[in-house]
Amino acid sequence: QKEVEQDPGPLSVPEGAIVSLNCTYSNSAFQYFMWYRQYSRKGPELLMYTYSSGNKEDGRFTAQVDKSSKYISLFIRDSQPSDSATYLCAMSERGSTLGRLYFGRGTQLTVWP
Amino acid sequence: SAVISQKPSRDICQRGTSLTIQCQVDSQVTMMFWYRQQPGQSLTLIATANQGSEATYESGFVIDKFPISRPNLTFSTLTVSNMSPEDSSIYLCSVAPAPNYGYTFGSGTRLTVV
Repeated sequence: QKEVEQDPGPLSVPEGAIVSLNCTYSNSAFQYFMWYRQYSRKGPELLMYTYSSGNKEDGRFTAQVDKSSKYISLFIRDSQPSDSATYLCAMSERGSTLGRLYFGRGTQLTVWP
Repeated sequence: SAVISQKPSRDICQRGTSLTIQCQVDSQVTMMFWYRQQPGQSLTLIATANQGSEATYESGFVIDKFPISRPNLTFSTLTVSNMSPEDSSIYLCSVAPAPNYGYTFGSGTRLTVV
């Protein structure tokens, strides 16, 4: 069993839709959770960084962490064609200066006009 | 956040040759990480590089195949040695510029071995 599971999609939605992206994990020691966006031929770009359980909102993006279920989500409201990218979840046991990241495979999202 | 310059952005290499990838950061960082991203797969950590010490390699990766240098707190290189077509991948460097901030990635090196 992989430590981080993520449905690779592809996911295709119309502009304006609410997008839900999810990851599950097996290691209960994970405490730091991240979502990255990766455009084609670019490096991953950090979208959201959260610690432990709870919600975090930033503009159209909301990250949720449920440690009891070992489940994290990223919601994108009012999706735009510019949101078309691959979304990677990542997590670590320790703070960013100490710990390595474990990644999901990424979900490919297309938002069509 | 830190800005990472990674070179080359892409290359096509003959099997049996070696390629050195450079990663330059605009601020001093303690640890630098090298990842491989194969099509349809997760990013896989190759090694962690601390300045002034040997790199720490993950299971399945060895120093003879992926030698790493870390001469100072802003620069690192990864060499892919004796390449085969199976080494065709995207290679990424990453840093954590500040506590509890998250990790920043370079733009990647897209390597094709023919």
